[in-house]
Amino acid sequence: EPEVTQTPSHQVTQMGQEVILRCVPISNHLYFYWYRQILGQKVEFLVSFYNNEISEKSEIFDDQFSVERPDGSNFTLKIRSTKLEDSAMYFCASSGDTNEKLFFGSGTQLSVL
Amino acid sequence: KQEVTQIPAALSVPEGENLVLNCSFTDSAIYNLQWFRQDPGKGLTSLLLIQSSQREQTSGRLNASLDKSSGRSTLYIAASQPGDSATYLCAVRRGGSQGNLIFGKGTKLSVKP
Repeated sequence: EPEVTQTPSHQVTQMGQEVILRCVPISNHLYFYWYRQILGQKVEFLVSFYNNEISEKSEIFDDQFSVERPDGSNFTLKIRSTKLEDSAMYFCASSGDTNEKLFFGSGTQLSVL
Repeated sequence: KQEVTQIPAALSVPEGENLVLNCSFTDSAIYNLQWFRQDPGKGLTSLLLIQSSQREQTSGRLNASLDKSSGRSTLYIAASQPGDSATYLCAVRRGGSQGNLIFGKGTKLSVKP
């Protein structure tokens, strides 16, 4: 079965550093998303992306965050200057349409020291 | 603001038992509702998706129901197995959103052999 893949599985960085989290969505999907889960808390929506632009974003997704689809297969989340509170599991997801299931990747555990 | 609540937070049952997990949401103007399974340190696996016009969906031993007017959904697991042990998450998609899922905190299920 097709799946969403994310790299790396773990990322450790120093506060203030830039990180890029990478995702390869399911190949025929058109909608892409980033979510995050802080340890012990709910999964939270960050951003949705369609047709090469952001279609929706949450309050969490401030100017420190950006997303990009640099080619036909990858979807990236960049955090420009990481903060301690950015430590979380970051999930990428994709769907074929907005009324279809979201398929999630296994996540990238980001630790900001 | 949409809030999603799942009760109970944790549940332990003997193998073979039928069980029901509950999900409630405060705003009935949803587009669809999705149930996920999350294994420790892993991503989210989509189990069932119910559109707002549907009453239930079934997949194998799983049955999910939706009562939009009362803001409730249930996930029924028949003949539970130790392999069903995981955290089960309920998520609703707001009407008009582009995949912004609002998640509950989950029910942690433990099935004892």
